Amino acid sequence: GQNIDQPTEMTATEGAIVQINCTYQTSGFNGLFWYQQHAGEAPTFLSYNVLDGLEEKGRFSSFLSRSKGYSYLLLKELQMKDSASYLCAVRAFSGGGADGLTFGKGTHLIIQP
Amino acid sequence: DVKVTQSSRYLVKRTGEKVFLECVQDMDHENMFWYRQDPGLGLRLIYFSYDVKMKEKGDIPEGYSVSREKKERFSLILESASTNQTSMYLCASRTGGPAGELFFGEGSRLTVL
Repeated sequence: GQNIDQPTEMTATEGAIVQINCTYQTSGFNGLFWYQQHAGEAPTFLSYNVLDGLEEKGRFSSFLSRSKGYSYLLLKELQMKDSASYLCAVRAFSGGGADGLTFGKGTHLIIQP
Repeated sequence: DVKVTQSSRYLVKRTGEKVFLECVQDMDHENMFWYRQDPGLGLRLIYFSYDVKMKEKGDIPEGYSVSREKKERFSLILESASTNQTSMYLCASRTGGPAGELFFGEGSRLTVL
């Protein structure tokens, strides 16, 4: 099976930087995804990591360490519209329905003025 | 623009009723998925399909079945709805290969009375 942990809720200030951590335990690791989900809406894709290191995409960056079973999502220059839930998800060769993703419970990020 | 369309945004059904949730994608994706999302539990995979007429159980298939008669359409069926199936149901699709991200529909919020 797989186990994915991320904080339930975080609060940050507009214009600041926030790091959302995700730890996972899985066999047959085949990639880690981050999704953003605004209240009442569908999740939307943010990033994908399969090799160790940092992937940068505008204000958002995602980091992966496979040996530590650890990833983080870094959000810079926070804006009010970044208030959302952030979902960490792992793909494994034999988990999450073989070809699906197993999701963490999500981190609810609150941005304050 | 990629599109995953779910037939109903909101449904209210009675215990014991048969419920059909329809999902259509216009991206010619091989893989399609049904998840349910509940507060505190996150997204959980019910069933997925990697080809027409093919289906695989996810992590929580009990009480559900699926149908995929055409590549673009994936249906979730609740043979006899129960109150514990009250939830948000999300359909998703993706192309083949490990890096393909999931594209989600807007979700169907089902209430079983």
